[in-house]
Amino acid sequence: AQSVTQLDSHVSVSEGTPVLLRCNYSSSYSPSLFWYVQHPNKGLQLLLKYTSAATLVKGINGFEAEFKKSETSFHLTKPSAHMSDAAEYFCVVSGISSYKLIFGSGTRLLVRP
Amino acid sequence: EAQVTQNPRYLITVTGKKLTVTCSQNMNHEYMSWYRQDPGLGLRQIYYSMNVEVTDKGDVPEGYKVSRKEKRNFPLILESPSPNQTSLYFCASSPGLATGPDTQYFGPGTRLTVL
Repeated sequence: AQSVTQLDSHVSVSEGTPVLLRCNYSSSYSPSLFWYVQHPNKGLQLLLKYTSAATLVKGINGFEAEFKKSETSFHLTKPSAHMSDAAEYFCVVSGISSYKLIFGSGTRLLVRP
Repeated sequence: EAQVTQNPRYLITVTGKKLTVTCSQNMNHEYMSWYRQDPGLGLRQIYYSMNVEVTDKGDVPEGYKVSRKEKRNFPLILESPSPNQTSLYFCASSPGLATGPDTQYFGPGTRLTVL
């Protein structure tokens, strides 16, 4: 079965410092992986997705993620945090049925001035 | 503007009073899905639909019904709501089957409280 674990429920960084949000996945086949962002009182928005092409995936707003099969990880990074990045981030793996998405429990990112 | 809309955005109701949350998309997507979001649990899939008149259960279907009579609409029905269905609900849609796992476009959410 497919599953995804977000290793931190909360991450706090200072504005201008790097962001690292950690995600490990479990899948019996080559998965598709996504990061979604949810700003307060908003719906979810796709940040980036990995679908077995390049292992380093660039997304919107300066975020990127690297697929590491040997570590079963798909960590999300950004070189320099901005106040507007404060949100909840979800790591997502596609299920064995292509359209079934399995969500992690979320990581809330706090950006300090 | 391409979008997924949900109505109502907020709803407070009482136990046992049937309700429907509507979802509509204007992107001609074949796939639509309903999720509920609860603190610490992420989003869990309730039901999904691969096309008109084709629906299937997700991970937490108990207490919910759906229908897909036309491509753009995918209403979520709670026949007899209970307090454990208090949650934030999201509808999502995605392009056709040939594209494989792909971006899902989410609606703005419906916050439901069942007293």
